Order: sequence, then C-alpha cells, then structure tokens
Amino acid sequence: QKEVEQDPGPLSVPEGAIVSLNCTYSNSAFQYFMWYRQYSRKGPELLMYTYSSGNKEDGRFTAQVDKSSKYISLFIRDSQPSDSATYLCAMSVPSGSARQLTFGSGTQLTVLP
Amino acid sequence: DAGVTQSPTHLIKTRGQQVTLRCSPKSGHDTVSWYQQALGQGPQFIFQYYEEEERQRGNFPDRFSGHQFPNYSSELNVNALLLGDSALYLCASSLGQAGGYTFGSGTRLTVV
Repeated sequence: QKEVEQDPGPLSVPEGAIVSLNCTYSNSAFQYFMWYRQYSRKGPELLMYTYSSGNKEDGRFTAQVDKSSKYISLFIRDSQPSDSATYLCAMSVPSGSARQLTFGSGTQLTVLP
Repeated sequence: DAGVTQSPTHLIKTRGQQVTLRCSPKSGHDTVSWYQQALGQGPQFIFQYYEEEERQRGNFPDRFSGHQFPNYSSELNVNALLLGDSALYLCASSLGQAGGYTFGSGTRLTVV
C-alpha cells in the first residue's frame, strides 16, 4: 500500500464548475500538506501549503485537511480552462533537517470552455 | 530573477550507459533536492544536497549519485542505466533543508 493515495482521474469539467481533488494517507507522522499544480512539460508549482486540520483559502482555491481521517482535499471554485493541469498532493513529516516530500500520483484535470 | 535551471531538457541514452544531469538553483537558495517522476506518477525523492553533502536519501540504489558545488549548483549521475530509469528528473531548490521548494522544469531521460 502506498503512503499517499490520490484519486487518479482523469477529471473533465465544464468551465465554472467546482472541482474537488482528494488524497488519503496512511502515515500519521505527516504533518505538512501541500498541493502542487503541474502543467505539461513543466515542473510542479506550489499552490497551497498547510500544517493544521481545517480549511485554508486562497482566492478560488481551498485546501482542507482532516488529520483524524487522514484525508486532504483541494477545492477549485469557478474553474477556468487555465486550471487544466495535473494536481499533485504532497506531504512531509516535521524535520529540522532535510524535507522529503511524499507525493500522490496526481489527478489530471481538464476544464472545458 | 531566474528560477531553477536544469540541463539538458531532453536526453536519450542506451541501456548500460551513464548520464549526468545538471541543476542551477534559484538565486538565494542553497539546497538542492532531486526527484524522479515516472510517466503518470508523482515525483519520488532521490536525495538532497546541502553544504555540498548528501543529507538524506530516498529508496534509490547506489547507481544514483550526486554532487553539489560551492556555488550551490548540483549534478545527478546515474550509472548502468536501465530501461526503468526512463523518467522526468526534477531538481528542486530551497533556502535551507526544510525550506519551501521551487522546482525546475526537469530533464526528460529516455533509456533505449
């Protein structure tokens, strides 16, 4: 069993839809949670970062963490064609030394105009 | 402000050969981490370099080695290439070992 499982998709939605992307994890030592967006032929870019249970909002994006259920989500409101990309969840344990991220396998999202 | 620069962009190698990939970190960053991303998968941590030393390593064989130079740039070397080494190799730089990452666009390695 992988430490991080991500809904594989692919996901195709019409412009303006609300998108929900989800990951579960098995390692309760994970304390930092991130969502990355990866466009084709590009490296991942950080969208959201959180370390506590609850919701964190940034514009059209909301990250939700439920540590008791080991479940994280990313919601995208008013989705745009420019949101079409692969979304990766990532997690790490607290460490004063090297930060090693454990990624999900990614969900490919297409927003249709 | 230049981000993370990786070279080459694409590379084709024959099984059994050796390859060197290069990374220049974002200005102001001093730590470099390398990840391997197979097609359709998330990136997997290979190792991290800080102060010219390997600080942490993921579950990769000794065929994968690296180096960090005094100017913080880094190289990833892979010996005795296998077909399964075909992947996108991502370099991520950060300020300090636990700092937030900035990823490069990667080097696409194809082993034939």
